[in-house]
Amino acid sequence: QQQVKQSPQSLIVQKGGISIINCAYENTAFDYFPWYQQFPGKGPALLIAIRPDVSEKKEGRFTISFNKSAKQFSLHIMDSQPGDSATYFCAASRAITDSWGKFQFGAGTQVVVTP
Amino acid sequence: EAQVTQNPRYLITVTGKKLTVTCSQNMNHEYMSWYRQDPGLGLRQIYYSMNVEVTDKGDVPEGYKVSRKEKRNFPLILESPSPNQTSLYFCASSLSPRPRDTQYFGPGTRLTVL
Repeated sequence: QQQVKQSPQSLIVQKGGISIINCAYENTAFDYFPWYQQFPGKGPALLIAIRPDVSEKKEGRFTISFNKSAKQFSLHIMDSQPGDSATYFCAASRAITDSWGKFQFGAGTQVVVTP
Repeated sequence: EAQVTQNPRYLITVTGKKLTVTCSQNMNHEYMSWYRQDPGLGLRQIYYSMNVEVTDKGDVPEGYKVSRKEKRNFPLILESPSPNQTSLYFCASSLSPRPRDTQYFGPGTRLTVL
């Protein structure tokens, strides 16, 4: 079963709007949460990541919000642009050495930004 | 150019015919990993390698083998492919196994097993 649940499956937003993608996890031992962006025909690429000791991380138009008590984290894309049209994956991992190397990914969200 | 390469990019084969998908990185990365991507399931980890001669199972290792004889190469072997292994496969590498080290993904290999 998927340890990281991602929603929605797809999202259509107008240019300039805000895209919000949510992820929830079960394993409280997860302590590293990256987001990946994937364009058609390409491999995923790291977009932004967060550790649970902060509630928010912002890089340009992309922001991760983290709610440790609810075991949820979300990606906000502000001022969405057509070039942001891609599939986004959340992921989770554990930073302690005996769990290094293992990653759990969400099912992905296809974002379409209309002009 | 720093990159992860995979070959072949596309492959159509028949049930039971052994195949190997190669993965190579030129960044001197310690960590390498294989994922499969399926609609509605996202990316699922097949195997990973912390360093040469060190490999471990991910979440979906059944039907796959890997080896890491050299630092730069991490081939994925399907000894007897079956139709349920039809998928899009990605190889990834990072400097170290620490989660905060960025994973770089290859371009993908689309495999169809008839």
